[in-house]
Amino acid sequence: GIQVEQSPPDLILQEGANSTLRCNFSDSVNNLQWFHQNPWGQLINLFYIPSGTKQNGRLSATTVATERYSLLYISSSQTTDSGVYFCAVKIRGGSNYKLTFGKGTLLTVNP
Amino acid sequence: DGGITQSPKYLFRKEGQNVTLSCEQNLNHDAMYWYRQDPGQGLRLIYYSQIVNDFQKGDIAEGYSVSREKKESFPLTVTSAQKNPTAFYLCASSIDGQSYNEKLFFGSGTQLSVL
Repeated sequence: GIQVEQSPPDLILQEGANSTLRCNFSDSVNNLQWFHQNPWGQLINLFYIPSGTKQNGRLSATTVATERYSLLYISSSQTTDSGVYFCAVKIRGGSNYKLTFGKGTLLTVNP
Repeated sequence: DGGITQSPKYLFRKEGQNVTLSCEQNLNHDAMYWYRQDPGQGLRLIYYSQIVNDFQKGDIAEGYSVSREKKESFPLTVTSAQKNPTAFYLCASSIDGQSYNEKLFFGSGTQLSVL
């Protein structure tokens, strides 16, 4: 099946710093989503971004589908950005219900 | 507010016991899903349902059962056959599970532990 690799696995920042999270995938995809899981377990859908670039406030995401990677940028980080960031993909031509998750990046933002 | 409600937040299971996790949504979504999350791991699909009275096994269905008697509800039973049930369980929904470009929305999860 498709492999989804996220890096780095852990990241510690001081408040105000910028960061880039990466998601590599091993096959062509037609759906890529970024999620944030807060320390209480709730997953929030950040972006649906199978290709191109999107921005939402301090967060932005870019997917280069031809090179099979996606990047999530966090600028001017805040303590509330702490948590786990997951990338999830659907294989182009695969089952439409099947979303494969990476293992996530654990982000800690210190005050 | 529209959303997905999971209960209870914490659940404890004794040896040989079946337990049921509740998931209710008021988003009017046809498709619902159950995922299991282990520490340091990504989410793995247990079961999914695209329509009332129909559901399909995911990647790790052994030891679990589900029902879909109402559009809004998709309860998950962890049976005694599941030998390693301790995990965080997440329920999710999407519009109909038919399209490649659907976004997934999650509940707040249930932490299941074995006594």
